[in-house]
Amino acid sequence: ETGVTQTPRHLVMGMTNKKSLKCEQHLGHNAMYWYKQSAKKPLELMFVYSLEERVENNSVPSRFSPECPNSSHLFLHLHTLQPEDSALYLCASSQEPRVTTEAFFGQGTRLTVV
Amino acid sequence: AQTVTQSQPEMSVQEAETVTLSCTYDTSESDYYLFWYKQPPSRQMILVIRQEAYKQQNATENRFSVNFQKAAKSFSLKISDSQLGDAAMYFCAYRRYNAGNMLTFGGGTRLMVKP
Repeated sequence: ETGVTQTPRHLVMGMTNKKSLKCEQHLGHNAMYWYKQSAKKPLELMFVYSLEERVENNSVPSRFSPECPNSSHLFLHLHTLQPEDSALYLCASSQEPRVTTEAFFGQGTRLTVV
Repeated sequence: AQTVTQSQPEMSVQEAETVTLSCTYDTSESDYYLFWYKQPPSRQMILVIRQEAYKQQNATENRFSVNFQKAAKSFSLKISDSQLGDAAMYFCAYRRYNAGNMLTFGGGTRLMVKP
């Protein structure tokens, strides 16, 4: 496998469920990101793990919890979500702190909360 | 905070013709990067072209070129000789110079290519 792989591709969950999204990168990068792409808003950065530090968007609700056990894997743990959390969740990776680097994206997980 | 605006929700172009997608942004910083990403139906965001703000020369990548107007905070994408495979969502994105790849995206423009 190459690039950035996200699983599952699609997920339907009830508001009381707990689920996790997984992202794996095979590019040797040291930074990973979660972005949310919803129908009515621009892509929004949720969390960053870079050089073993975590940066988060303060507007992200606590029902989203990231985990980055190593530089190749990133998880997004979900619990008690709301229907407005239905969106495409994109994972990305990059090599930092090279200023000329670019972000490489996975194909996303389409999440539907019912 | 930085903002990125794409004023064209949808655009269409005839195959082999040229189309320009618009993007404006707001920032108080002098050093930054601007990007155009393409998102086809496969949903994977693919980098099309990148522009460093300190470079006056407009970036080009084969059929893709930008018109970067720093004073006007404008960053448009020109696609020449449009192909059916160019049909996708196109996103303009901004990145601070030393802030990793924490991107601020515009709302996107859906490009349709007519055969």
